[in-house]
Amino acid sequence: AQTVTQSQPEMSVQEAETVTLSCTYDTSESDYYLFWYKQPPSRQMILVIRQEAYKQQNATENRFSVNFQKAAKSFSLKISDSQLGDAAMYFCAYRSDGTSYGKLTFGQGTILTVHP
Amino acid sequence: DSGVTQTPKHLITATGQRVTLRCSPRSGDLSVYWYQQSLDQGLQFLIQYYNGEERAKGNILERFSAQQFPDLHSELNLSSLELGDSALYFCASSVGSIYNEKLFFGSGTQLSVL
Repeated sequence: AQTVTQSQPEMSVQEAETVTLSCTYDTSESDYYLFWYKQPPSRQMILVIRQEAYKQQNATENRFSVNFQKAAKSFSLKISDSQLGDAAMYFCAYRSDGTSYGKLTFGQGTILTVHP
Repeated sequence: DSGVTQTPKHLITATGQRVTLRCSPRSGDLSVYWYQQSLDQGLQFLIQYYNGEERAKGNILERFSAQQFPDLHSELNLSSLELGDSALYFCASSVGSIYNEKLFFGSGTQLSVL
């Protein structure tokens, strides 16, 4: 079974600065997808960014980018120019290729605090 | 707003009771997924329905069951409730099942078992 580990229970960043959230995963599969989800105080899970394992290029979505290291099974999220609205719980998630799109394995989450 | 509606938002009940959580997916979405978020277990996939049929199963207890109705809304039934069942239960939906489209989450139902 696949596992996802987020080793940072909490992180903090100053507004306008950059922060990196870490995620590692364990799998024997070669094809899979990785995700970062954001859960603000409203509780709703919001997709931040997605990475296909077969793509070597790191995914980018505006201020959010990932550093995907397949051999090291590492998938970190970088948030640039942090904003107060980025404060939330962030979850790293894994999905096997060819299985139900919604069957995700989540990490334990990292609480991100943004200081003004 | 994701377009996924979950009711009720909060539910307080006692041990041994049975509750039903309801989820209305986004218009046009055929797949519904249920997740449980608890302090002990984190976020866990429970079950998926696609167009009325069970498609995938995760760590769902035998005391829990779900179904998807012809109008595509889904219900998650939790019976013989225990203190450890207290959690935030999420529903999510997507258009299909295995293709790489986006997953939309509802705001969850917070269940407290006293």
